[in-house]
Parts: sequence; structure tokens; C-alpha cells
Amino acid sequence: DAGVTQSPTHLIKTRGQQVTLRCSPKSGHDTVSWYQQALGQGPQFIFQYYEEEERQRGNFPDRFSGHQYPNYSSELNVNALLLGDSALYLCASSLAGGTNEQFFGPGTRLTVL
Amino acid sequence: GESVGLHLPTLSVQEGDNSIINCAYSNSASDYFIWYKQESGKGPQFIIDIRSNMDKRQGQRVTVLLNKTVKHLSLQIAATQPGDSAVYFCAEKPYNTDKLIFGTGTRLQVFP
Repeated sequence: DAGVTQSPTHLIKTRGQQVTLRCSPKSGHDTVSWYQQALGQGPQFIFQYYEEEERQRGNFPDRFSGHQYPNYSSELNVNALLLGDSALYLCASSLAGGTNEQFFGPGTRLTVL
Repeated sequence: GESVGLHLPTLSVQEGDNSIINCAYSNSASDYFIWYKQESGKGPQFIIDIRSNMDKRQGQRVTVLLNKTVKHLSLQIAATQPGDSAVYFCAEKPYNTDKLIFGTGTRLQVFP
């Protein structure tokens, strides 16, 4: 039973560039949430996708966008990267109507230079 | 605004002792409170949750206590082991949402 997987594991970009991060949810899960975790901080909710639509959104600018595919996998896109976007980006999957447990992937470490 | 924070950034305990990690929250409109464990290089791992209408819930070697009067949450780990060394986050799930609001974390260090 595969858990949540994310790719790539590490990524280095420069200011102004665009980045796409990918996530495959745990088998049987249909909901994907994305979080940003700055060094030494707790994860901050970016948005959640269910049935290929953004269902909820946190306090992040429109530079952050996402997508969910019919197979429930998801992408996080960040445009016009800023130095402050450097962080660990976590994907969490869950089953709509299920328990509160969200299963997190290992994350993608994004460094913006 | 909403916030979930922790009293102590680092907690050092001896192997075999009990650990208590504390958390204060400010948002009363949450139906679940959850504890996560994050080891270095890994994503957060669910430990235990408690519904807002409960005061206590026990799991395997862990107990979560919720005091809504003072908006305080704690995680007790019995017979702490080296494998318990990690950063622990409390999080809350507001009513009618699926998002989690995390605090800044407490690092638990277990020494022999």
C-alpha cells in the first residue's frame, strides 16, 4: 500500500521563475491538501483539492495555484518566485467523509536564490 | 486571528521517563485537535486526535488532554523512547473545514 509520494525531493530556482511540484495521494484517498513549512515553523495550509476542484484556500496569493487530476494526483504551481517562497512543501492526502487523519508525504524542499 | 502555539520550544527527557508537551490555542471554533510527530527529513505523522467535546483520549503510550476552559492541549508520552525524538506539532481543525492550523512545534530530545 503506497503512501503519499512527492516529487522532486529537492529543487533550486531563482527569483522570478516558476515551479511545479507533484503529489500522488495514498491509495484509496481522493482529497489532496498542500502546506508550506518554513524552517522551524509549523506547516501553513495553502489549499485543498477534491473532485479536481479547489475546495478551500488559505492566505496565499494567486501566485500559488494547483490542479488535481482524475487519478487524484495533484500539482502545486508557484509563479514569480520570491526568496520567501523557500520552504518545505508538503502534500497531505485524505478520504472525503473519512477520519480526520491526513497522511503527509515527505515534502519537496524548494530553495529560491 | 487564529493561532496555535506551544509553550516550550525544546523538551529534554531521559529514556523511560514520561514526557508532557503542551500547546495553547486561541480559536474556539474547532471541532478537532490533533497531534503530529515530525522526524527529520520526513513529513508530519498523525499521532492522535481528540474531538472538542472530549477531555481525554488515550492511545498506545500516548494520552491527549483538552482543557477548553483555558484553551490548552497536552500530549503525554509514557515511557519515552529514543524513537520518540522528533518535533511535535499540535494542530486544530476548525468547524466545517478540512484545513489544519499548526503551531510552531516542540522538539523532544530523549537521552539515555
